[in-house]
Amino acid sequence: AQSVAQPEDQVNVAEGNPLTVKCTYSVSGNPYLFWYVQYPNRGLQFLLKYITGDNLVKGSYGFEAEFNKSQTSFHLKKPSALVSDSALYFCAVRDMKRNIFGKGTRLHILP
Amino acid sequence: EAQVTQNPRYLITVTGKKLTVTCSQNMNHEYMSWYRQDPGLGLRQIYYSMNVEVTDKGDVPEGYKVSRKEKRNFPLILESPSPNQTSLYFCASSKYSGGADTQYFGPGTRLTVL
Repeated sequence: AQSVAQPEDQVNVAEGNPLTVKCTYSVSGNPYLFWYVQYPNRGLQFLLKYITGDNLVKGSYGFEAEFNKSQTSFHLKKPSALVSDSALYFCAVRDMKRNIFGKGTRLHILP
Repeated sequence: EAQVTQNPRYLITVTGKKLTVTCSQNMNHEYMSWYRQDPGLGLRQIYYSMNVEVTDKGDVPEGYKVSRKEKRNFPLILESPSPNQTSLYFCASSKYSGGADTQYFGPGTRLTVL
């Protein structure tokens, strides 16, 4: 069965420092992996996805994610955090029918 | 503007009183889905629809019904709501049901069942 794990409930990063939000997955076959962001009182917004090809995927707002097949990971990264990046981040895996989301990681960027 | 809309945004009801949460998308998307979001549990898929008249259960379908009579609409029905269905609900759509497609989410419906 497909699954997604986000091992950290919360990540605190100082503004200007690099950030990483971790995600590991378990799928049969080729994974379709996504990152979404949720700001307070809003729906989820798409950040980026991995389908195939380059292991480094670039997305919105300066975020990128690295697909690592051997470690079954898809960590979200940003070189320099902004206070406005503070939000709830979800990793997700999708097959032809269903979507499995991680439990979410709350990112706090400290001024 | 391309969007997914949900109504109502907030709803407080009592146990056993049937309710419907509407979802509509204006992007001609084939795939639509309902999720509930609970603290510490993330998003869990309730039901999904791959096209008109095609619906299937997600991970937590108990106590919910859906229908897909038109491509743009995908209502979520709670026939007899219970307090454990108090949650934040999201509708989402994507152009196709294929794994590579990005989902677009509605703004959410916060439901409280007393």
